[in-house]
Amino acid sequence: EAQVTQNPRYLITVTGKKLTVTCSQNMNHEYMSWYRQDPGLGLRQIYYSMNVEVTDKGDVPEGYKVSRKEKRNFPLILESPSPNQTSLYFCASNRQGVSYEQYFGPGTRLTVT
Amino acid sequence: GEDVEQSLFLSVREGDSSVINCTYTDSSSTYLYWYKQEPGAGLQLLTYIFSNMDMKQDQRLTVLLNKKDKHLSLRIADTQTGDSAIYFCAGNTGGFKTIFGAGTRLFVKA
Repeated sequence: EAQVTQNPRYLITVTGKKLTVTCSQNMNHEYMSWYRQDPGLGLRQIYYSMNVEVTDKGDVPEGYKVSRKEKRNFPLILESPSPNQTSLYFCASNRQGVSYEQYFGPGTRLTVT
Repeated sequence: GEDVEQSLFLSVREGDSSVINCTYTDSSSTYLYWYKQEPGAGLQLLTYIFSNMDMKQDQRLTVLLNKKDKHLSLRIADTQTGDSAIYFCAGNTGGFKTIFGAGTRLFVKA
């Protein structure tokens, strides 16, 4: 089954404790993205990747890092989480040139206290 | 840059038609999408329309695009309680960035 998986689905952590949210897709997609969803703001792109070792900032990259060492994986790293990073995070992927078929993961709800 | 705006709430009775509206600022958007998000779930692509189209119909869904007014709408015919969800309008210029609206929460009353 074609899918995007994220782990963990739920995470409660404390300010400053480094964490990683994993994202994996099994569709051999070139493009992958991370979004955060906040009430009244919709989804905002954090980072995106066009292929292995090629990443770029989206609209709200501050406080986040990403890496793309393998085509299927695109982890999101919060080196020093803060309460304003409490949000619902989505990973997404699509084939190169087919931006209208973006597949989303189930989401990770992160709470930073 | 692109900005996408939607009203936040819509309430309809079961069996009626729902119309969710969206306006966008970037006339170079190549693709315009509608996504559905059910409670506790990720986003599901409902339908999309290319900027060179005026209308697209897919079963109960009709998408209308008015390029002059930069207005996109999603009509759901015979709305059911299972249609209750948040609906996101989004635009993409064919590149790496998809811009989403804030989402319209659709309530369907039985």
